Amino acid sequence: SAVISQKPSRDICQRGTSLTIQCQVDSQVTMMFWYRQQPGQSLTLIATANQGSEATYESGFVIDKFPISRPNLTFSTLTVSNMSPEDSSIYLCSVEGRRGFGEAFFGQGTRLTVV
Amino acid sequence: GQQLNQSPQSMFIQEGEDVSMNCTSSSIFNTWLWYKQDPGEGPVLLIALYKAGELTSNGRLTAQFGITRKDSFLNISASIPSDVGIYFCAGRNSGGSNYKLTFGKGTLLTVNP
Repeated sequence: SAVISQKPSRDICQRGTSLTIQCQVDSQVTMMFWYRQQPGQSLTLIATANQGSEATYESGFVIDKFPISRPNLTFSTLTVSNMSPEDSSIYLCSVEGRRGFGEAFFGQGTRLTVV
Repeated sequence: GQQLNQSPQSMFIQEGEDVSMNCTSSSIFNTWLWYKQDPGEGPVLLIALYKAGELTSNGRLTAQFGITRKDSFLNISASIPSDVGIYFCAGRNSGGSNYKLTFGKGTLLTVNP
């Protein structure tokens, strides 16, 4: 399995500000995925980040709100912009397993509280 | 988008009891994954299933890929307190966007010592 490190692990932010979440993987991966998990809910895919191209966003998520960077094959960032209390969630970074069999592995998540 | 129906939503059991949870989908999946999430942590992969009818074990956990490819179940035998957590199923389909996972809503398991 891949080792995925996310920073920060948690943060409390003021509404109207932005937070950038970092995701570092211990090996090169083609695709990295960002998920949101709202309180007591399941995981929802925000976007898929490929190195060297713009991220692909899922329905309901837009680049202006969740800009993503993917500067190399082991790193990505997700920014939550102009935050409101509704953005309070756990944000998770994910990658596929090295064997390419369809497994997915997750970082420990970033717990964001917007006040 | 696709949805997985995961049941039960929650379970309260005594230590030592067996547990069963399942997921069903209206669409065919070619991969089923089962995860456990502890509070404050990301989901941890428990079992991955790749073929219809496949039955796979990981210690006290057993999962099966339904033969219709539209369902899967997870069994936990002889539960212990550290089994407490939220269990998620996830399916990956064989359509054009076949790298995307669809998650169930989770089963919250509580084990009373």
